[in-house]
Amino acid sequence: EIMLTQSPATLSLSPGERATLSCRASQSVSSYLAWYQQKPGQAPRLLIYDASNRATGVPARFSGSGSGTDFTLTISSLEPEDFAVYYCQQRDNWPLTFGGGTKVEIK
Amino acid sequence: QVQVVQSGAEVRKPGSSVKVSCKASGGTFNNYVITWVRQAPGQGLEWMGGIIPSFGTSGYAQKFQGRVTITTEESTSTAYMELSSLRYEDTAVYYCASRPLAIHSVDYWGQGTLVTVSS
Repeated sequence: EIMLTQSPATLSLSPGERATLSCRASQSVSSYLAWYQQKPGQAPRLLIYDASNRATGVPARFSGSGSGTDFTLTISSLEPEDFAVYYCQQRDNWPLTFGGGTKVEIK
Repeated sequence: QVQVVQSGAEVRKPGSSVKVSCKASGGTFNNYVITWVRQAPGQGLEWMGGIIPSFGTSGYAQKFQGRVTITTEESTSTAYMELSSLRYEDTAVYYCASRPLAIHSVDYWGQGTLVTVSS
């Protein structure tokens, strides 16, 4: 089973600031890495698939990069609606796995 | 666009089983991957297992092997997740998520089903 480690656990930032979230895999997942956003009481929402592709309707301020074992989600300028929990998920091998999440909170 | 609607909240006693359903409306689960994810209160997302009906294959996370069964019923476009030998720590929201085969850019999530294990 592939383990995903996300860091930091919590990111305290102000609106307008840049957020950089990390996800590290215990073995290579090629580019089969997705990022999700989850707000309280809601199902997760797909943001990024295949490491660097934005899902439909996702604003351009969200970008993903990386391959192999190291991945990054960047939010270029935080909007109020971006404060949420973000999860990475590897889709390379079953069982699929999620990282532990990064909470982006308002500073 | 497929919409996914899950069954309602359940309360079960420890040691019993629960079966949660997930129905596709506006389409079918043909040529889809269907997975189940759970989230305990205040915790992260946990992938439980999945099924690809058109391939007749399913797979489960090791943690749930032997306790979870995921099935589909083609005639009603419904997927099911049954979890047995319930423990208090199985209290969680259970999500169904579906994605078209070989298409990575979309996935469709149900609204979640709260399962409470309580004596």
